[in-house]
Amino acid sequence: DAGITQSPRYKITETGRQVTLMCHQTWSHSYMFWYRQDLGHGLRLIYYSAAADITDKGEVPDGYVVSRSKTENFPLTLESATRSQTSVYFCASEGAGGTDTQYFGPGTRLTVL
Amino acid sequence: EDQVTQSPEALRLQEGESSSLNCSYTVSGLRGLFWYRQDPGKGPEFLFTLYSAGEEKEKERLKATLTKKESFLHITAPKPEDSATYLCAVRNYGQNFVFGPGTRLSVLP
Repeated sequence: DAGITQSPRYKITETGRQVTLMCHQTWSHSYMFWYRQDLGHGLRLIYYSAAADITDKGEVPDGYVVSRSKTENFPLTLESATRSQTSVYFCASEGAGGTDTQYFGPGTRLTVL
Repeated sequence: EDQVTQSPEALRLQEGESSSLNCSYTVSGLRGLFWYRQDPGKGPEFLFTLYSAGEEKEKERLKATLTKKESFLHITAPKPEDSATYLCAVRNYGQNFVFGPGTRLSVLP
């Protein structure tokens, strides 16, 4: 199906474990973004990517790692999960040329015990 | 530092009762201001982009306006299906988006 998908939709893990959240888009959009959404903070940018092999930090990058070997995929890895990383994570994409319209995935709800 | 605040935090309206949501912002260089709608358990859905003071955009019962310091989302004669959280965001010339905390709107039948 066309669009932007995230997997898993729900994940429970333990402190110290490595977790990878997947994001896939079928539009060949250049820009992709990872956000976390917490009550009282709204959406905060973790990392973004302007193209394959180009990534940059956002507002809250500590504890997260990203990669983008293919245009359509933008995985987010928590190398050693902490309780403070319990959140809802959203991936988004935007077409090239500065369309300014972000399309969001359905989100992944992550709980770190 | 770029910042976005939204008020009120929550708003409860009767069906047909018009109102406005406020988004105040400070940004180093405004590339654009955005409004999104978010339903529970879903990702935000794009509504409008505004680029310059004085600009207005409309979609069904929603109208967004922009000044140099704030934006308003006017809701005319709302229906229960307009119930959602409305998010405001700004984008600077460094390409980053900064989101506000949102206004949770409930429209009662």
